Amino acid sequence: KAGVTQTPRYLIKTRGQQVTLSCSPISGHRSVSWYQQTPGQGLQFLFEYFSETQRNKGNFPGRFSGRQFSNSRSEMNVSTLELGDSALYLCASSPTRDTLGYEQYFGPGTRLTVT
Amino acid sequence: AQSVAQPEDQVNVAEGNPLTVKCTYSVSGNPYLFWYVQYPNRGLQFLLKYITGDNLVKGSYGFEAEFNKSQTSFHLKKPSALVSDSALYFCAVTNYGQNFVFGPGTRLSVLP
Repeated sequence: KAGVTQTPRYLIKTRGQQVTLSCSPISGHRSVSWYQQTPGQGLQFLFEYFSETQRNKGNFPGRFSGRQFSNSRSEMNVSTLELGDSALYLCASSPTRDTLGYEQYFGPGTRLTVT
Repeated sequence: AQSVAQPEDQVNVAEGNPLTVKCTYSVSGNPYLFWYVQYPNRGLQFLLKYITGDNLVKGSYGFEAEFNKSQTSFHLKKPSALVSDSALYFCAVTNYGQNFVFGPGTRLSVLP
């Protein structure tokens, strides 16, 4: 079974631009979560989608948004990029949000650099 | 609110020696605890989890973890470290219906 895939793997953008990152979960997985990883802040939860609905949202400004499609693929968008948005963005999928003790399976991440 | 602490930023151990990476947590209700490992330029890889039952959990690559409810700890252990175990290790906690909260990570260096 193929793992979680994220595209693109690397991205360089300029301050003020916007960016869209894509995540394809493992086949059959319906829950997709997004995380931002930086050396200073560690792994921070952005949001989670389940069956096209946002179930949880982390403490990030409204410039960060996401969506999930009917095939469970997910996108996250960051508008008006700031230098501090430079990070590794990780997507994780799990089979269902209603099973106790589910683990998440992570993709390789998208490395975003804002100049 | 849920939280996870990993008190050591860095752990150094000689190859062949036992290793321990520490984790303590805070959560209301029964915790679901996880360990993940991250190699350079890679995503996180699941190692093991504790949901219920036996306090000693065995996982991938010879790793195990011991759940201690009274000390709210979930330390990761391995009897004999390998150089290839060198990586960044994350402890995480969640509860039913809640999102994952990860610790800050511990960098493990296994010296040959």
